[in-house]
Amino acid sequence: KAGVTQTPRYLIKTRGQQVTLSCSPISGHRSVSWYQQTPGQGLQFLFEYFSETQRNKGNFPGRFSGRQFSNSRSEMNVSTLELGDSALYLCASSLAGPEIATGELFFGEGSRLTVL
Amino acid sequence: DAKTTQPPSMDCAEGRAANLPCNHSTISGNEYVYWYRQIHSQGPQYIIHGLKNNETNEMASLIITEDRKSSTLILPHATLRDTAVYYCIVSGEGTGNQFYFGTGTSLTVIP
Repeated sequence: KAGVTQTPRYLIKTRGQQVTLSCSPISGHRSVSWYQQTPGQGLQFLFEYFSETQRNKGNFPGRFSGRQFSNSRSEMNVSTLELGDSALYLCASSLAGPEIATGELFFGEGSRLTVL
Repeated sequence: DAKTTQPPSMDCAEGRAANLPCNHSTISGNEYVYWYRQIHSQGPQYIIHGLKNNETNEMASLIITEDRKSSTLILPHATLRDTAVYYCIVSGEGTGNQFYFGTGTSLTVIP
């Protein structure tokens, strides 16, 4: 079956702009998580959505937001971009839900954002 | 917050078993141990997870000590394609999929 799909794969923005990244989970997966990966901070949890509701949120400023649609597809948005937002943004989907213990995450290939 | 401690790097000869240790001395009773790996420029890949019993799948074996304060991931016959960063993660029910990945162990398989 198709894996997790993230678009776009690469993008370049300038400071002050905003960006929207998209993630299509594996069919049947209702949980979508977002992670930021940078050389200095490693993989850091941004937020998780389950059934269109944000379930968990990491320690990121309010410029980072997300949402999930009824078909489980998710988007994340970063407003007022800063140089430090340059990173690989990874999306992961999972079958896990509130009634199921945390499970296996399936990651996409990521969206690499460069902020100039 | 870091819940696990792993060596920053390890080497392993191709064809030999790779044993990657992880210390999680503050693990609580309902927390699982997960292992993921990330090959350069790719998204992390799930390997295996366990609660208290040893686990084995087609990729690896997970050995958890009786007191659950440490574990070892075993790749039985390492290949060059196993060169990656390996992350040991502790996470419990109710925390969703909020995983703290830490810095992991960079495993290099040597021909």
